Amino acid sequence: AQSVTQLGSHVSVSEGALVLLRCNYSSSVPPYLFWYVQYPNQGLQLLLKYTTGATLVKGINGFEAEFKKSETSFHLTKPSAHMSDAAEYFCAVSITGNQFYFGTGTSLTVIP
Amino acid sequence: GAVVSQHPSRVICKSGTSVKIECRSLDFQATTMFWYRQFPKQSLMLMATSNEGSKATYEQGVEKDKFLINHASLTLSTLTVTSAHPEDSSFYICSAFLGQGNQPQHFGDGTRLSIL
Repeated sequence: AQSVTQLGSHVSVSEGALVLLRCNYSSSVPPYLFWYVQYPNQGLQLLLKYTTGATLVKGINGFEAEFKKSETSFHLTKPSAHMSDAAEYFCAVSITGNQFYFGTGTSLTVIP
Repeated sequence: GAVVSQHPSRVICKSGTSVKIECRSLDFQATTMFWYRQFPKQSLMLMATSNEGSKATYEQGVEKDKFLINHASLTLSTLTVTSAHPEDSSFYICSAFLGQGNQPQHFGDGTRLSIL
């Protein structure tokens, strides 16, 4: 069975500080991994995805994530937080493509 | 990037009314569309998976007679909440999927449904 765990439902960082949002997955086969961001009262916007190839994936808005198979992790990072990064972030895993498994989300607060 | 349009963005109506929500993929043909419900401060709850030209597959606990899904074309899926009641008030989000395993889902902006 596949599952996604996001450690930390709430993360607070100071503006300019490193952002680290954690995501671990469980999968019996190589997964496809995604990070989405959701702003209030909006749908989800794709930040980045990992399918195959390079394990360090760069996305929009300065975010990146690294697929670590040995740790079954796909943590999202950004070197310097902006106020506009405050939002809800969801990690998702897909195996066949027809079924996506979403984490419970991490709410990011950026402190000025 | 792929664009999914969801309409309306907000609905407020009386109890007993049926409400239709449209989800359109504007620049690609979506083999599959998904419908989610999201409660405040929570993750997405998959309601049903809709494939063009076939009946939707509903998740356990979702009433198919309550939440009617039609996927008549590769670019349009509709969700109708029949005889809506206050407990149906929620944020509903659709997504469209190209059908290839390594592709992401593309989400609409959601519909805030409020039943009085």
